[in-house]
Amino acid sequence: EVQLVESGGDVVQPGGSLRLSCAASGFNFYEWTMNWVRQVPGKGLEWVSLITWNGGSIDYADSVKGRFTISRDNSKNSLYLQMDSLRSEDTALYYCIKEGIHSFASWGQGTQVTVLS
Amino acid sequence: QSALTQPASVSGSPGQSITISCTGTSRDVGGYKLVSWYQHHPDKVPKLILYEDTTRPSGVSNRFSGSKSGNTASLTISGLQPEDEADYYCCSLSRTSSYVFGTGTKVTVL
Repeated sequence: EVQLVESGGDVVQPGGSLRLSCAASGFNFYEWTMNWVRQVPGKGLEWVSLITWNGGSIDYADSVKGRFTISRDNSKNSLYLQMDSLRSEDTALYYCIKEGIHSFASWGQGTQVTVLS
Repeated sequence: QSALTQPASVSGSPGQSITISCTGTSRDVGGYKLVSWYQHHPDKVPKLILYEDTTRPSGVSNRFSGSKSGNTASLTISGLQPEDEADYYCCSLSRTSSYVFGTGTKVTVL
């Protein structure tokens, strides 16, 4: 069974940094593209970033480009999201996702990031 | 990258069929056979219910079906049931930003 467990969410001031982690199990992590998707409270879903199996291809939403960095460590079955220069609009529940056929097949429970002064 | 357009809400009585539209452009919805749909109940994790426009993952009820015409994809829920009350989101591969989600639709079972 696929399991994705996010951690690292916290309350942080504007301009601050956080590093989210996602521990994966139940599948061959090194074979799969992974994504981060977020949901602002009471609002919709927003795709944030993806990284292919070997890190050879990485992409970001325009809203986070230049501030967030996605990475992975296949030896540790782990996915990361380094979030710098955080803004209030980054406040959201962040989900770690195993990609299926160009779709989001398996989701973690999410980790809450709150940016407030 | 602008979100795909969905109606804010759709409602129906038990047993009825409802359809949720998802409108994008030729750079996303119309450009690929890669629209997916997600069901999201409050305080739960979103669940994939369709991918590649029309394909249901194993275990998803055949009451959920998908279609597409031009730049608009649609999700139809047949035989509406109380447990179908949830938020629904479409998502498409995009030429401009890997993926783009729809604005979301709240389905109410009357």
